[in-house]
Amino acid sequence: NAGVMQNPRHLVRRRGQEARLRCSPMKGHSHVYWYRQLPEEGLKFMVYLQKENIIDESGMPKERFSAEFPKEGPSILRIQQVVRGDSAAYFCASSTTAGTGKAPLHFGNGTRLTVT
Amino acid sequence: GQQLNQSPQSMFIQEGEDVSMNCTSSSIFNTWLWYKQDPGEGPVLLIALYKAGELTSNGRLTAQFGITRKDSFLNISASIPSDVGIYFCAGLVGGADGLTFGKGTHLIIQP
Repeated sequence: NAGVMQNPRHLVRRRGQEARLRCSPMKGHSHVYWYRQLPEEGLKFMVYLQKENIIDESGMPKERFSAEFPKEGPSILRIQQVVRGDSAAYFCASSTTAGTGKAPLHFGNGTRLTVT
Repeated sequence: GQQLNQSPQSMFIQEGEDVSMNCTSSSIFNTWLWYKQDPGEGPVLLIALYKAGELTSNGRLTAQFGITRKDSFLNISASIPSDVGIYFCAGLVGGADGLTFGKGTHLIIQP
């Protein structure tokens, strides 16, 4: 049973370019979460999605960032016109139910975005 | 927003020693989780706690959900080299909220 799959593992973008990060949840999981981790910091919640719906995007910057989880295919976190401050590790997590309840989050190995 | 204060920030211990770390908060959480993160990887869940006062073990790891719901601790007994890594506590209020993470405890084991 494959875990949460994220790609690419490493992504380098120049300032002003777009970054697209992909996440395939664990089999049977319909709830996806995106977190951002800066060096020497804990993970910060960005957005929570179910299939075709954004449930909570309170942790996501209002500009340049968007997320989707279509009916078919992986969840995508999109960052437009990247700036150096977007450099971080972005982690996706999935679960079978809302929040963690009795179903804790399982994390992928992250995408490390570097903006030059 | 909610914050978790995790301590210590780092620990240098000898192999075989016991380890204790904790998380405190000024606000209540209804679920506490402990994760371990190795370099270049995502956090891996170690222990999940769902009830105030709950004490749960996973091998050499033991964690407790504080009675006030504002704190939790993680103990590791008889540490071994593969215990090296960063340990994060995380709290959840409920529903569809995202997890709030502490800043991590770096565990370094000297042979």
